[in-house]
Amino acid sequence: SAVISQKPSRDICQRGTSLTIQCQVDSQVTMMFWYRQQPGQSLTLIATANQGSEATYESGFVIDKFPISRPNLTFSTLTVSNMSPEDSSIYLCSTHGRTSQNNEQFFGPGTRLTVL
Amino acid sequence: AQTVTQSQPEMSVQEAETVTLSCTYDTSESDYYLFWYKQPPSRQMILVIRQEAYKQQNATENRFSVNFQKAAKSFSLKISDSQLGDAAMYFCALISGNTPLVFGKGTRLSVIA
Repeated sequence: SAVISQKPSRDICQRGTSLTIQCQVDSQVTMMFWYRQQPGQSLTLIATANQGSEATYESGFVIDKFPISRPNLTFSTLTVSNMSPEDSSIYLCSTHGRTSQNNEQFFGPGTRLTVL
Repeated sequence: AQTVTQSQPEMSVQEAETVTLSCTYDTSESDYYLFWYKQPPSRQMILVIRQEAYKQQNATENRFSVNFQKAAKSFSLKISDSQLGDAAMYFCALISGNTPLVFGKGTRLSVIA
């Protein structure tokens, strides 16, 4: 299994500012995933982050808006840039885990972002 | 492309009764896994049950069981003896290879005391 922590757990930000969310895994993992969950909605994949390479973004998400870092095998950050109220969501970090059985995916507790 | 469809936005069940949540999916992969995740108000995503596509036997986990119909691409979740703590959003999800999970839109389950 993998235990994932995220910081901050929640934040309230002004439009036009940026917020960086940190994700820490308790073991070394190859891939880390960032999801967005808008209010009352399902999880939508933003990007996949592999250590040592640029993140791969899903359709509708761009690096300028959601830059991602992956400096090592246990850590990643997601920045939400130039925020607007439409960015108000829960952002979740996820990974398969180093010894994941049956491709189970583990999730962090999420970061609840409110943009005023 | 892989898709997961949950056609029931909301469901309710009386405490101690049984409820079934529906899920259909589409994939061109032959090797894949299906999951039901629970998300209570705390936001934490909790794995409820998993099913390997190559296994014919339906997965069971205590009060939770699935009805996996591979030909029909159907994967429903049955919750028996429903408890108040079962109230949550339930997401059906699909994965193959090292790709990330693809989620359905979710079903909000209410449990009535």
